Amino acid sequence: EVKLQQSGDELVRPGASVKMSCKASGYTFTDYAMHWVKQSPGQGLEWIGTIIPLIDTTSYNQKFKGKATLTADKSSNTAYMELSRLTSEDSAVYYCARSGNNYANWFAYWGQGTLVTVSS
Amino acid sequence: DIQMTQSPSFLSASVGDRVTINCKASQNINKYLDWYQQKHGEAPKLLIYNTNNLQTGIPSRFSGSGSGTDYTLTISSLQPEDVATYFCLQHSSRPLTFGSGTKLEIK
Repeated sequence: EVKLQQSGDELVRPGASVKMSCKASGYTFTDYAMHWVKQSPGQGLEWIGTIIPLIDTTSYNQKFKGKATLTADKSSNTAYMELSRLTSEDSAVYYCARSGNNYANWFAYWGQGTLVTVSS
Repeated sequence: DIQMTQSPSFLSASVGDRVTINCKASQNINKYLDWYQQKHGEAPKLLIYNTNNLQTGIPSRFSGSGSGTDYTLTISSLQPEDVATYFCLQHSSRPLTFGSGTKLEIK
């Protein structure tokens, strides 16, 4: 069974950074891409970017370049996303989602989401 | 960026009704269109990929169609468990972009 287990909810101060994780199980981690998606009440769903763990290649939505950094640890089957210089606009639920067939760009499986709240 | 215009935003229908939800892309997306269901408090779930391919485990009352810029999700016979918000996603070109969602309720 494919499972994506995301790290817990975060309360962070404005200007700080946060790093969240997405631990994959039930499939070969390097055979698929991992996507990250933001969901906020004001902006709906937004694609942040994608990482291909096999070759450590990333692709970002221009809107999130400089804001999000995607990495992956093949030894632990875990993908990470770090968000920097946080503002209230970054308060949202963040999902990781595994690609469809190999690197196809549909989101076949989703994590449960990590809620990030930016507040002083 | 490709804009996805989804309609309607809200839909109320009776159990057993045939329901359709539409997404219109701002340019041809060559059938690279998926549909997702999100129930309250849960993560989205893939229903259909590449316009008309039913994801494993999804009931056959869900179907998709379309081409070019216009795409449709159809629920052939609405069930109570279908109460959710539905989103489309185009993955023809980056950035990948979502529709704004259709909230479906039972009348």
